[in-house]
Amino acid sequence: EPEVTQTPSHQVTQMGQEVILRCVPISNHLYFYWYRQILGQKVEFLVSFYNNEISEKSEIFDDQFSVERPDGSNFTLKIRSTKLEDSAMYFCASRLRDINTGELFFGEGSRLTVL
Amino acid sequence: GENVEQHPSTLSVQEGDSAVIKCTYSDSASNYFPWYKQELGKRPQLIIDIRSNVGEKKDQRIAVTLNKTAKHFSLHITETQPEDSAVYFCAASKVSGNQFYFGTGTSLTVIP
Repeated sequence: EPEVTQTPSHQVTQMGQEVILRCVPISNHLYFYWYRQILGQKVEFLVSFYNNEISEKSEIFDDQFSVERPDGSNFTLKIRSTKLEDSAMYFCASRLRDINTGELFFGEGSRLTVL
Repeated sequence: GENVEQHPSTLSVQEGDSAVIKCTYSDSASNYFPWYKQELGKRPQLIIDIRSNVGEKKDQRIAVTLNKTAKHFSLHITETQPEDSAVYFCAASKVSGNQFYFGTGTSLTVIP
């Protein structure tokens, strides 16, 4: 069964450093998402991406965050200057069709620890 | 925007008993309501979903009900088993957007 894959599974970084989290969505999916989950809390929407551009973003997704689909398969989330409060599990997700028929498939997550 | 609330935050049941998790939503335009199960350290996975044109849906031991008037939907797990222990998230979405709004999660523990 096709899966969303994410790398790295865990990254530890110093505050102020740049981090890039990578995702390979399921190949025929059209919509891509990044979600964040702080330990023990709910899954929070960051950004959605469709047709090579951001379609929606939350207030969490400020100027420190950016997304890119550099080569038609990878989907990356960049955090320019990490803060302590960026420590969380970051999930990439993708889905095939419109919201009324498409299941959201999550990757295994990338745990980011900012020291 | 949409606000999804979920209760309870934790739930413990004896094996074989039923478990019920409830969610409410605020935006009457929401029309798709999935439920995700997240086992410890794993990704959330869809277990069942319901659309606003249906009041109830069942899949073996799992059922979901939707009350559009009251804007609430519930997950029912019958004959619970230890492997049902996980965190369950409800979500809501609407036609005009492609964003899923998640509830705060319910940690279910099934005691053998």
